[in-house]
Amino acid sequence: GQNIDQPTEMTATEGAIVQINCTYQTSGFNGLFWYQQHAGEAPTFLSYNVLDGLEEKGRFSSFLSRSKGYSYLLLKELQMKDSASYLCAVPYDYKLSFGAGTTVTVRA
Amino acid sequence: GAVVSQHPSWVICKSGTSVKIECRSLDFQATTMFWYRQFPKQSLMLMATSNEGSKATYEQGVEKDKFLINHASLTLSTLTVTSAHPEDSSFYICSANEGGNEQYFGPGTRLTVT
Repeated sequence: GQNIDQPTEMTATEGAIVQINCTYQTSGFNGLFWYQQHAGEAPTFLSYNVLDGLEEKGRFSSFLSRSKGYSYLLLKELQMKDSASYLCAVPYDYKLSFGAGTTVTVRA
Repeated sequence: GAVVSQHPSWVICKSGTSVKIECRSLDFQATTMFWYRQFPKQSLMLMATSNEGSKATYEQGVEKDKFLINHASLTLSTLTVTSAHPEDSSFYICSANEGGNEQYFGPGTRLTVT
């Protein structure tokens, strides 16, 4: 099975940087996804990492270390609209297993 | 591209009745469609996986006779919640893929059973 662990909540100030960690245990690694989900809405795709290293996409970056079973999502220059739940997910058997999600609250 | 729609966006029904939720891939043919349920402040829980023309595969603990899934075409899957009860009130989300690992999510359907 898949075991995915991420912090429950994080709070940060507008303009700051927040790093959301995700550790996973899975058989047959096929990459790792990060999704953003605002309350009452469906998840939206942020990133997909297959190889080790950092991938930057504007204010959001995602890092993967396959040997450590570890990923993080880095949110820079936080804006109020970034307040949301961030979900780490790993594929298995053509399905996705989601972590419990990290709720990020951005304060002015 | 890769847009998935759901209908209805929200629905209120009385206890004991059935509700049908549609999931459509608008600009691609979906190899597989997935149905999730999400309770407040919890993550997405996969209910079942469906492929066009075949029976859905349900996750452990999900009652297949209560949550009927029909996948009639490569662009349409339906979830019917039969004999709904208040504990079935939840946010139901579908997703679809084109054969790879990435899933494209629908906007979700909020079901309230009174």
